[in-house]
Amino acid sequence: DAKTTQPTSMDCAEGRAANLPCNHSTISGNEYVYWYRQIHSQGPQYIIHGLKNNETNEMASLIITEDRKSSTLILPHATLRDTAVYYCIVRVAFSGGYNKLIFGAGTRLAVHP
Amino acid sequence: EPEVTQTPSHQVTQMGQEVILRCVPISNHLYFYWYRQILGQKVEFLVSFYNNEISEKSEIFDDQFSVERPDGSNFTLKIRSTKLEDSAMYFCASNGQDYSGANVLTFGAGSRLTVL
Repeated sequence: DAKTTQPTSMDCAEGRAANLPCNHSTISGNEYVYWYRQIHSQGPQYIIHGLKNNETNEMASLIITEDRKSSTLILPHATLRDTAVYYCIVRVAFSGGYNKLIFGAGTRLAVHP
Repeated sequence: EPEVTQTPSHQVTQMGQEVILRCVPISNHLYFYWYRQILGQKVEFLVSFYNNEISEKSEIFDDQFSVERPDGSNFTLKIRSTKLEDSAMYFCASNGQDYSGANVLTFGAGSRLTVL
């Protein structure tokens, strides 16, 4: 699975967009980009995933560059409750279902008033 | 929304005691995982389980650890003789079979194990 690089920490003002970058320059064509977050010591929470196209759901948007070597998770209107560690994980897609995820250190996002 | 449920939320035990952590994965899921997170450290993969057998385990998952799916709903992690360094949050996760290949994992809230 491709290695990812994320900034250690970021700040964001409440109500503003939080843009969290992830570099995955060695990604291969059949690897998904997943984003999870962990609020305090809770279980990791799935946010969004994508393969090639940009994706949006009720939580966030995922922008993947055309060469797929980097991506950005966008929280459009950050709230204090979005303060968490955000993990970008790249993983080969398996049609069989098995999907062990390997977590890195992630980006610690602090949303302040 | 379907959830992965873990019990207990917190367990305190004496070194050398056996501990069983329990998980109820989402009902139609087929793949099950245990992860752990020592305070201040990364979330680490321990073991995966499919079709009533271990499919993969990490080097952390030594002979002191075992997993079982005793019935159609529970998935358990047993630590036979706990050590101080087993103190951590333990997370259970599961996923179904998504033919797109995305296979999103859903995690439980975790069980905090404190070994004294």
